[in-house]
Amino acid sequence: QSALTQPPSASGSPGQSVTISCTGTSSDVGGYNYVSWYQQHPGKAPKVMIYEVRQRPSGVPDRFSGSKSGNTASLTVSGLQADDEADYYCSSYAGSNNPVVFGGGTKLTVL
Amino acid sequence: QVQLQESGPGLVKPAETLSLTCTVSGVSIRSYFWSWIRQPPGKGLEWIGYISYSGSTNYNPSLKSRVTMSLDTSRNHFSLRLTSVTAADTAVYYCARSVPGTMDYWGQGALVTVSS
Repeated sequence: QSALTQPPSASGSPGQSVTISCTGTSSDVGGYNYVSWYQQHPGKAPKVMIYEVRQRPSGVPDRFSGSKSGNTASLTVSGLQADDEADYYCSSYAGSNNPVVFGGGTKLTVL
Repeated sequence: QVQLQESGPGLVKPAETLSLTCTVSGVSIRSYFWSWIRQPPGKGLEWIGYISYSGSTNYNPSLKSRVTMSLDTSRNHFSLRLTSVTAADTAVYYCARSVPGTMDYWGQGALVTVSS
């Protein structure tokens, strides 16, 4: 199983907001501000949407936002659009012995 | 702009060695760290490891005994070798540029099937 826990699915109607959680431990999510979120459309490579918990790369709409509280990080997508329908994966730095851990992914459906 | 492209055999026999190369354009591999990630069909992402610009490596503990990564700065590419493969190693293999805390540029992925 994955090191980080995500809900398998989430959904919302166009224009609504949805939040996806990513729960780890004090050894990964809770211990470092190095949480990333990736969007993956079917058959495509992942694309980073959020890094360092809440930073957005150039070109990513501000409808995407990240936050963290304790051992749980969250991705919020506001103003849902049809193209937001995709799989979303969180990842975290987890120390020098195993630097990158992923969540199992959340399938976001736009109703 | 930065682009990465995976290449290598799409079919590998059980017990043999999987070898992939990631060719980088738009930036020198002498800068940054470079990662491999894989995704079995219908499943989630798994980080395999990274290699730094100086050639130092860090591998996922679950794969460490079978993984080797290397750099070829003259060709601006880096490579992955995974030995003693089984059907469980069937996956899309991605290469990506690693910066602190994230992977910002990814290749399109290469499907490798392990089958006799």
